[in-house]
Amino acid sequence: DAGVTQSPTHLIKTRGQQVTLRCSPKSGHDTVSWYQQALGQGPQFIFQYYEEEERQRGNFPDRFSGHQFPNYSSELNVNALLLGDSALYLCASSHAGTSPYNEQFFGPGTRLTVL
Amino acid sequence: SQKIEQNSEALNIQEGKTATLTCNYTNYSPAYLQWYRQDPGRGPVFLLLIRENEKEKRKERLKVTFDTTLKQSLFHITASQPADSATYLCALPHGSSNTGKLIFGQGTTLQVKP
Repeated sequence: DAGVTQSPTHLIKTRGQQVTLRCSPKSGHDTVSWYQQALGQGPQFIFQYYEEEERQRGNFPDRFSGHQFPNYSSELNVNALLLGDSALYLCASSHAGTSPYNEQFFGPGTRLTVL
Repeated sequence: SQKIEQNSEALNIQEGKTATLTCNYTNYSPAYLQWYRQDPGRGPVFLLLIRENEKEKRKERLKVTFDTTLKQSLFHITASQPADSATYLCALPHGSSNTGKLIFGQGTTLQVKP
């Protein structure tokens, strides 16, 4: 049973560019959340997708957008990259019906470096 | 606003001792609290969940307490091993109900020396 997978593993971009990160949830999960984790900090909630719609959003600008596909996989898009966007981007999945307490299964993350 | 605090200083202990990590929160009453383990360069791994009406939860060598009066959770690892060395994160739901949004503390790094 594959867990949460993310691609790519690492990414280097320059300021002003756009990036797309991808996530496949754990088998049987229907909810995908994205988090940003700066070095030495805990993960910060970006947004959550359920039934192909954004259900919750954290305190992130509109440059951060996402999408969920019918197979529950998800993409995170970041436009007009800033140096401060350099971080580990984590995808987490859960099942809305069987995870009332929102236990999250995390992927390995995508390390984004903005130069 | 809701705030979670974990001891940012690394905790260094000797193998076989009990490690105790602290998570304090302010400005709200969460319905539950979660603990995760994170190894360098990896995503967090869910360990334990404790609900607001539970005082204590155990899983093998792990024990979590939840004091809603003190607004604090303690995470204990008994008979610690070098393999327990990692960063431990506590997380709470945004607001008191399950909104799907988790707020994480900054994590405490545990180093267990042989």
